[in-house]
Amino acid sequence: AQSVTQLDSHVSVSEGTPVLLRCNYSSSYSPSLFWYVQHPNKGLQLLLKYTSAATLVKGINGFEAEFKKSETSFHLTKPSAHMSDAAEYFCVVSDPGTYKYIFGTGTRLKVLA
Amino acid sequence: GAVVSQHPSRVICKSGTSVKIECRSLDFQATTMFWYRQFPKQSLMLMATSNEGSKATYEQGVEKDKFLINHASLTLSTLTVTSAHPEDSSFYICSARSEALLETQYFGPGTRLLVL
Repeated sequence: AQSVTQLDSHVSVSEGTPVLLRCNYSSSYSPSLFWYVQHPNKGLQLLLKYTSAATLVKGINGFEAEFKKSETSFHLTKPSAHMSDAAEYFCVVSDPGTYKYIFGTGTRLKVLA
Repeated sequence: GAVVSQHPSRVICKSGTSVKIECRSLDFQATTMFWYRQFPKQSLMLMATSNEGSKATYEQGVEKDKFLINHASLTLSTLTVTSAHPEDSSFYICSARSEALLETQYFGPGTRLLVL
């Protein structure tokens, strides 16, 4: 069975400082992993995805994530937070047979001025 | 590319009435569409998986007679909440994928349903 664990339900950073949102996964297969962002009352926007190519994945809006098999992690980072980054972030693993998504519980990012 | 729309964005209805939500893939053909429900400050809960031309597959605990899903074309899926009650009030989100997009799902903007 596949699962993802988002280790922090809330993260607060000051504007201009680095962002780290943590995600660990469990998978019997070589996983496909995703990060999505959700702003209030909106749908989910794809930030980036890992599908067994390069382990360092660059996404939109300056975000990137590194797939570390030895640590079963796929943490999301950004060098400098912007106020507009305040949102809910979901780490997701895809089931290879059904294409269903298994969601983490989400991390709410707060950016302080 | 890979844009998914939902309509309506917000709906208020009386208890006992039915509500239909549309999900459209605007620039690709969606082999599979998914319907999710999201409660406040929670993650998304998958309700059902819909493949074009076949019956939807519902997740355990989701009443198929209450949440009717139709995927009649490669660009349109509908979710009908029948005989809605206040406990059905929620944020409903659809997503779509295609064979070309592989496992990546693209999400609609969501529909806020309030049942009075």
